[in-house]
Amino acid sequence: GIQVEQSPPDLILQEGANSTLRCNFSDSVNNLQWFHQNPWGQLINLFYIPSGTKQNGRLSATTVATERYSLLYISSSQTTDSGVYFCAVFPLAGGGADGLTFGKGTHLIIQP
Amino acid sequence: NAGVTQTPKFQVLKTGQSMTLQCAQDMNHNSMYWYRQDPGMGLRLIYYSASEGTTDKGEVPNGYNVSRLNKREFSLRLESAAPSQTSVYFCASSESTAPDTEAFFGQGTRLTVV
Repeated sequence: GIQVEQSPPDLILQEGANSTLRCNFSDSVNNLQWFHQNPWGQLINLFYIPSGTKQNGRLSATTVATERYSLLYISSSQTTDSGVYFCAVFPLAGGGADGLTFGKGTHLIIQP
Repeated sequence: NAGVTQTPKFQVLKTGQSMTLQCAQDMNHNSMYWYRQDPGMGLRLIYYSASEGTTDKGEVPNGYNVSRLNKREFSLRLESAAPSQTSVYFCASSESTAPDTEAFFGQGTRLTVV
């Protein structure tokens, strides 16, 4: 099946810093989503971004489907940005019937 | 607008006990999913239901059964719980299983089997 690798696995930053999280995937995809799992365990949809660039406030994401990677940018980090960021994909070959395949996540800690 | 609602939020079971996790969505989605999340891992698909009346196995179906009760509700049953099933369980829904649809997740059920 498709492999999804996220980097870095862990990231500790000071409040106000910027960060870039990366997601590489091993095969063509029709769908890519970024999620934030907050410290209470809730999964929050950040972006649905199979290709192109989107922005939402301090967060933006870019997916280059032809090169099989996606980037999540967080600017001016706040302590509430702490948590785990997951990338998840729907493989093109699978026809979508197998659900999203998740990476192992990037654990982000923002220190005050 | 509740989205995807799971009950219970927390549960402790003894080995061998059974229980059913409930999930309901109010977005009129056709497809629903159950995932489990283990420490340091992403989510893995247990079962999914492409539409009302159908269910299919995902990556890790052993030890689980599911029921798509109606369009809104999709339940996950553990017939004889084992410590290896200690995990956080997430229900999700999407308009369809077409790859270009966005999935939305419930708040999770933290299950401990002792």
